Amino acid sequence: NAGVMQNPRHLVRRRGQEARLRCSPMKGHSHVYWYRQLPEEGLKFMVYLQKENIIDESGMPKERFSAEFPKEGPSILRIQQVVRGDSAAYFCASSPSSAGASYNEQFFGPGTRLTVL
Amino acid sequence: QKEVEQNSGPLSVPEGAIASLNCTYSDRGSQSFFWYRQYSGKSPELIMFIYSNGDKEDGRFTAQLNKASQYVSLLIRDSQPSDSATYLCAVINDYKLSFGAGTTVTVRA
Repeated sequence: NAGVMQNPRHLVRRRGQEARLRCSPMKGHSHVYWYRQLPEEGLKFMVYLQKENIIDESGMPKERFSAEFPKEGPSILRIQQVVRGDSAAYFCASSPSSAGASYNEQFFGPGTRLTVL
Repeated sequence: QKEVEQNSGPLSVPEGAIASLNCTYSDRGSQSFFWYRQYSGKSPELIMFIYSNGDKEDGRFTAQLNKASQYVSLLIRDSQPSDSATYLCAVINDYKLSFGAGTTVTVRA
């Protein structure tokens, strides 16, 4: 049973380019969460999505960042016009259920390490 | 005040000893608590979760929760060099995980 899959594992972009990060949840999971880990900092929540719905994007920067989880295909985290401060590890997690299951476990993918030159 | 605070470490223990990790949280309404292990350059791996006061044991790991004191701990018994990693305490409220900064543990052979 495959775990959470993310690609690419490493991504290098120059300032001003776009970065697209993909996440496929575990089989049977319909809830996806994105977290960011900046160098020497802890993991921070960015956004929570279900199929075709953004449930909570309160942790995502208001500009340049967007996320989607279409009916078919992986969840996408898109960063437009990247800057050096966007360099970080971006982790996707998935769970089988959501709010209301207070002990809901989230399983993390291997992450995408974004480097902005 | 940070939502989740961990003793900063690093924590160095000899092989075979007990490693003790501590975590406090600020939201008294938090319901569930998680310990993740993260090796350098890797993703967090869930090792324990606890939501009732008291102890929960899983192999060499024991999680302890005291909601009155807003305190969670993790004990690693018979520490092995392979336990050397950063341990992240996390609290969930609804669906958002809030993480501490992590405690780096080094087990000396």
